[in-house]
Amino acid sequence: DTGVSQDPRHKITKRGQNVTFRCDPISEHNRLYWYRQTLGQGPEFLTYFQNEAQLEKSRLLSDRFSAERPKGSFSTLEIQRTEQGDSAMYLCASSYSGDSDTQYFGPGTRLTVL
Amino acid sequence: AQTVTQSQPEMSVQEAETVTLSCTYDTSESNYYLFWYKQPPSRQMILVIRQEAYKQQNATENRFSVNFQKAAKSFSLKISDSQLGDTAMYFCAFTTHAGNNRKLIWGLGTSLAVNP
Repeated sequence: DTGVSQDPRHKITKRGQNVTFRCDPISEHNRLYWYRQTLGQGPEFLTYFQNEAQLEKSRLLSDRFSAERPKGSFSTLEIQRTEQGDSAMYLCASSYSGDSDTQYFGPGTRLTVL
Repeated sequence: AQTVTQSQPEMSVQEAETVTLSCTYDTSESNYYLFWYKQPPSRQMILVIRQEAYKQQNATENRFSVNFQKAAKSFSLKISDSQLGDTAMYFCAFTTHAGNNRKLIWGLGTSLAVNP
């Protein structure tokens, strides 16, 4: 299967710890997106990359959040000093600029901060 | 502000019947793309259908079709011959391509239950 993959699928951590999530996009996709979704809500945009360049970052993304896409392939999202309010599903999506940028999503990483 | 409104938090339909989910949106951009995604319980977000705003013809994908009314900024989803596997949260979303913007703006979703 060549869809978007995310790792880990579930993460439980204690408040104050750092966590890192990985996303592998569909191979020919040049854009990669991170969203956060809490229960009963639609996803909210965090950031996106075109190749290795981070082109947009939400004002919702505090300084504790950082994302990278070092070689324009996979991406990592790190949350430092986690807080209980960070508990959510973190979704990754990818798109190809020649396909009207239709975004295809991975299965998500569910983060629980105790 | 760019917003999406889904006015039906929950809906139910009998198997094999037809159901329509409503969505309205607001943007000042003239070129944008509209989407419906479904998210089954504890499963990933799946693209159902997309519509380019510059196309007048309504998109269809098998049992799924849209009624796109650009002037009214309305984008409803019709599901024909509903199946049990259609039970999911349905999200309406759009994106403009103004500048570097590519983020999807989402509604709050409609929870659809298909009953046997």
